[in-house]
Amino acid sequence: GAVVSQHPSWVICKSGTSVKIECRSLDFQATTMFWYRQFPKQSLMLMATSNEGSKATYEQGVEKDKFLINHASLTLSTLTVTSAHPEDSSFYICSARPETDESGAFFGQGTRLTVV
Amino acid sequence: GIQVEQSPPDLILQEGANSTLRCNFSDSVNNLQWFHQNPWGQLINLFYIPSGTKQNGRLSATTVATERYSLLYISSSQTTDSGVYFCAVEDDNYGQNFVFGPGTRLSVLP
Repeated sequence: GAVVSQHPSWVICKSGTSVKIECRSLDFQATTMFWYRQFPKQSLMLMATSNEGSKATYEQGVEKDKFLINHASLTLSTLTVTSAHPEDSSFYICSARPETDESGAFFGQGTRLTVV
Repeated sequence: GIQVEQSPPDLILQEGANSTLRCNFSDSVNNLQWFHQNPWGQLINLFYIPSGTKQNGRLSATTVATERYSLLYISSSQTTDSGVYFCAVEDDNYGQNFVFGPGTRLSVLP
């Protein structure tokens, strides 16, 4: 199946600093990628839709100035958590889907962010 | 927006047992997928199944789109099957993003 790679797998940062997470589609092009957040023992919640060459679309309640999304190429989207605080600690996961409709969506391995 | 329910929320099985996980959704969908989230958080695609029945080894899935439900069958369960199983649907009216169900947490005991 298609491969979506996410980096880093985990990161610990100090409160007030920024963290960048990368999501790459390795063997297909993706004009659209999705960023999800998952708190412990909960399901995945969509944060934003990343669109290549244009602004991201954020879900209600997600601060666009705090979670900066850049989709500069057809294979790379980045999520930057700016001025991170402990409440931003979570599991962040991206997804993308090949153009063919028969395969569904594929997810990166996720990034566990801990803000101390 | 579309609502997705999964049952049961938790399931404990003895190794070798069979189980059925259910996913109900509130509206028509373009796409439905079943995922297994392993202890490290990785989401593993199990099935892309907007309708019909598919089988892959000990796992199979059936989606009855007209009745808005899908079932995931696990036969001869193994300890490595433990984890959380998510059903996710793509809303007909909302493009490509997925709405996830709350998941079923499966523990298979040796």
